[in-house]
Amino acid sequence: NAGVTQTPKFQVLKTGQSMTLQCAQDMNHEYMSWYRQDPGMGLRLIHYSVGAGITDQGEVPNGYNVSRSTTEDFPLRLLSAAPSQTSVYFCASSSGPNPNQPQHFGDGTRLSIL
Amino acid sequence: GENVEQHPSTLSVQEGDSAVIKCTYSDSASNYFPWYKQELGKRPQLIIDIRSNVGEKKDQRIAVTLNKTAKHFSLHITETQPEDSAVYFCAADNFNKFYFGSGTKLNVKP
Repeated sequence: NAGVTQTPKFQVLKTGQSMTLQCAQDMNHEYMSWYRQDPGMGLRLIHYSVGAGITDQGEVPNGYNVSRSTTEDFPLRLLSAAPSQTSVYFCASSSGPNPNQPQHFGDGTRLSIL
Repeated sequence: GENVEQHPSTLSVQEGDSAVIKCTYSDSASNYFPWYKQELGKRPQLIIDIRSNVGEKKDQRIAVTLNKTAKHFSLHITETQPEDSAVYFCAADNFNKFYFGSGTKLNVKP
């Protein structure tokens, strides 16, 4: 049981490049989410999903796309990377949302945009 | 949307003392409040949570209290130890969206 697995762990991109951050969980969790963590600002929700085929926007969705074709996977796509997207990205999952359940986080992806 | 404020941003205590971190939220519809501990370079890890139908919850040295009327909740750590040193985040679940506080860096001095 690996929990929540994120790849890659580190990535450097040039402005304008696109890439996909991968997230997979093996706990059969319905709820999955993506956060970015910037210094002094805590975690901010980018997108979330309450089940396969269902996604919704979080607090800071602009510049990011998601899809949820399976229960296990929830990839995050950066369409055209910008320096403002330099951050640490965390994926999380839970057996929620009904009722609310604790979220389990992956190890994060450290992304730098030059 | 929801707004979660967390205080203080840094907290330094002597080993064995108690530490209290406070959070406020703006939307009375928020109904689930987890607390996470994050060590440097690591993932956030849940340490305790509380639902809106409960006023207090305790797990060994850690307790959380919730005041729904005032819209604030607090984390209490007793008998602090050096390994408690980390950044602590509160969060509020508002219609399946989690809003996090900006974090409290706790330093426990031996």
